[in-house]
Amino acid sequence: GENVEQHPSTLSVQEGDSAVIKCTYSDSASNYFPWYKQELGKRPQLIIDIRSNVGEKKDQRIAVTLNKTAKHFSLHITETQPEDSAVYFCAAGSQAGTALIFGKGTTLSVSS
Amino acid sequence: EAGVAQSPRYKIIEKRQSVAFWCNPISGHATLYWYQQILGQGPKLLIQFQNNGVVDDSQLPKDRFSAERLKGVDSTLKIQPAKLEDSAVYLCASSLNSYEQYFGPGTRLTVT
Repeated sequence: GENVEQHPSTLSVQEGDSAVIKCTYSDSASNYFPWYKQELGKRPQLIIDIRSNVGEKKDQRIAVTLNKTAKHFSLHITETQPEDSAVYFCAAGSQAGTALIFGKGTTLSVSS
Repeated sequence: EAGVAQSPRYKIIEKRQSVAFWCNPISGHATLYWYQQILGQGPKLLIQFQNNGVVDDSQLPKDRFSAERLKGVDSTLKIQPAKLEDSAVYLCASSLNSYEQYFGPGTRLTVT
């Protein structure tokens, strides 16, 4: 069935460093790739997303890249701050209004 | 704009008991999802509604789980009887028939 693999499962960086989280997906029909940030005990919050018609999208310190041929996409966080510490989930969807398939999450720890 | 509301936030029950969760989506959002998030994993879809009709319930354990969305607004998810492996966070999300899904705070269920 459809599957999304996410790596690494944990990531520790120093404040100011960059962090990269990578995901691969199996369903060729997937065309929507959101990233969610979940702080401890809180709801997942959509931080950035990309659709298959673009290869890269950037929003301030956060960027996402997509390689449809290789079926992988990545989240890049630059100039990390302690408040970036959270669990990050990638997901894939095939059309508007359908359910998302999530990766298992990456726990990012940013130490000052 | 108010977000997705869920209640209760926490619930502890013994195995074989029953439990119900409630979700109120963002006003005007026709699509509603229930996801199950087991500790250390990403959310997994249980059931999806479009207005008050079921779109996808292929991963809902129908022998013990049931869900309804009367009048196409609020939704309830019920488990009867609960098993230890049902311990998880139950997340409700809604969407305006678009790609973006917005999550509620979740209900943390502990089955002892």
